[in-house]
Amino acid sequence: GESVGLHLPTLSVQEGDNSIINCAYSNSASDYFIWYKQESGKGPQFIIDIRSNMDKRQGQRVTVLLNKTVKHLSLQIAATQPGDSAVYFCAENAGTYKYIFGTGTRLKVLA
Amino acid sequence: NAGVTQTPKFRVLKTGQSMTLLCAQDMNHEYMYWYRQDPGMGLRLIHYSVGEGTTAKGEVPDGYNVSRLKKQNFLLGLESAAPSQTSVYFCASSYSSREDAFFGQGTRLTVV
Repeated sequence: GESVGLHLPTLSVQEGDNSIINCAYSNSASDYFIWYKQESGKGPQFIIDIRSNMDKRQGQRVTVLLNKTVKHLSLQIAATQPGDSAVYFCAENAGTYKYIFGTGTRLKVLA
Repeated sequence: NAGVTQTPKFRVLKTGQSMTLLCAQDMNHEYMYWYRQDPGMGLRLIHYSVGEGTTAKGEVPDGYNVSRLKKQNFLLGLESAAPSQTSVYFCASSYSSREDAFFGQGTRLTVV
C-alpha cells in the first residue's frame, strides 16, 4: 500500500459536510500557491491555485483562501464526497523553479 | 493525451546496482522535474530541467544523475543504488516555473 501517508495528520469528515484543510507556508516572498490532491498509489493532481494578489479563489466545490499576514493557506471542500478521500498538500513558489511542498493532510470521508 | 508517463512503476534493486527511470511528457512543456517522496516529508526536488539539453541540481541531488536529450524525455539515473534511495519517485512537468506542474503516477523503488 501507500506508505507516504503513514505519519500524516488526519481530518475525518462526514459525507456531505464541508472540509477545511489548512497549510502554513514558510516563505514570506512566496507569491504563487497550489493545492494538490494525492490518492493512494497515484501522483499528485492539481486542484486549484492562487496568486498573492488575491485572497480567495473558487473552483468547482473548492475554495482556496490566502492570508498573507499570517502565511496561511486553506482549502475548503464543499459537500465532501467519498471520492474526496485522499492526501492534500499545498505548494508555494517564490518566483523560481523551486516549489516547497507541505507534508500533507489525509482526508477521510465517513459514510 | 497521456500527460506525464513514468516507467517503470515498481522496481526492486540490490545495493550497488544501477538503473534509469524514464519520464515522458506529451504536453510540450519546457520544465521537467524529478522529486522523491518519503513518509512524513514533502516532495523534495532531486534535479530539474528548464529545457532540452539543460539540467540542474535540486535540493537532494547526491547519488542521482539526469539527462534531457529530448524535450519530451527526462531520465533519472542511479549509478550505485543505496537503501537510502528507497522512495517513491515522481516526475513532473510544467509550461513554466510559474505554472502548476503535472505529475506522473510515480515509481516505487526499493533498494535492498
